[in-house]
Amino acid sequence: QKEVEQNSGPLSVPEGAIASLNCTYSDRGSQSFFWYRQYSGKSPELIMSIYSNGDKEDGRFTAQLNKASQYVSLLIRDSQPSDSATYLCAVNMFRAGTALIFGKGTTLSVSS
Amino acid sequence: DGGITQSPKYLFRKEGQNVTLSCEQNLNHDAMYWYRQDPGQGLRLIYYSQIVNDFQKGDIAEGYSVSREKKESFPLTVTSAQKNPTAFYLCASSTRDRNTGELFFGEGSRLTVL
Repeated sequence: QKEVEQNSGPLSVPEGAIASLNCTYSDRGSQSFFWYRQYSGKSPELIMSIYSNGDKEDGRFTAQLNKASQYVSLLIRDSQPSDSATYLCAVNMFRAGTALIFGKGTTLSVSS
Repeated sequence: DGGITQSPKYLFRKEGQNVTLSCEQNLNHDAMYWYRQDPGQGLRLIYYSQIVNDFQKGDIAEGYSVSREKKESFPLTVTSAQKNPTAFYLCASSTRDRNTGELFFGEGSRLTVL
């Protein structure tokens, strides 16, 4: 099992729709979870962090965490063409100290 | 403005040469990291340092070396032993809090081996 697993996509949604991105992780002891957005050729930028079970909302973005299922997701409401990017799930794991372990990313394409 | 500065942005190297990528931060963070990204791939951890004068190997440390002599600086040397060094290299920093520490990234350095 990969430590942090994401569907690579591409995930294609029309403008205004909800995009749903999923991530599973292997370390049951992980406590911190992050979603980064990365545009082509650029460095990742943080869009959401979540630390406890449940939902966390920030504008059009909602992160959901279920530690029992070792699952974290990101919902993007009212998707815009500017949301087209690669979304990276990152998890803090005990074996890596304060470093984050990243999934391979899901590419999202929002068509106008 | 606080942030992380990586240099150079683009670097070309001949096979057999060592190159050093610079990373400087003024965020007063204790921890610093180097990641490598290949096309269509996520970030893979090369080395990390949680305090000055100490660092640990990440998942793909072979062919790389680092130093952490100052809190602000964490240079990465790509040695000739690294078999496939062409990649996008990202430096990051964070606090030492494992429970909340998000990573802040520099703009990256793109290394091409000719």
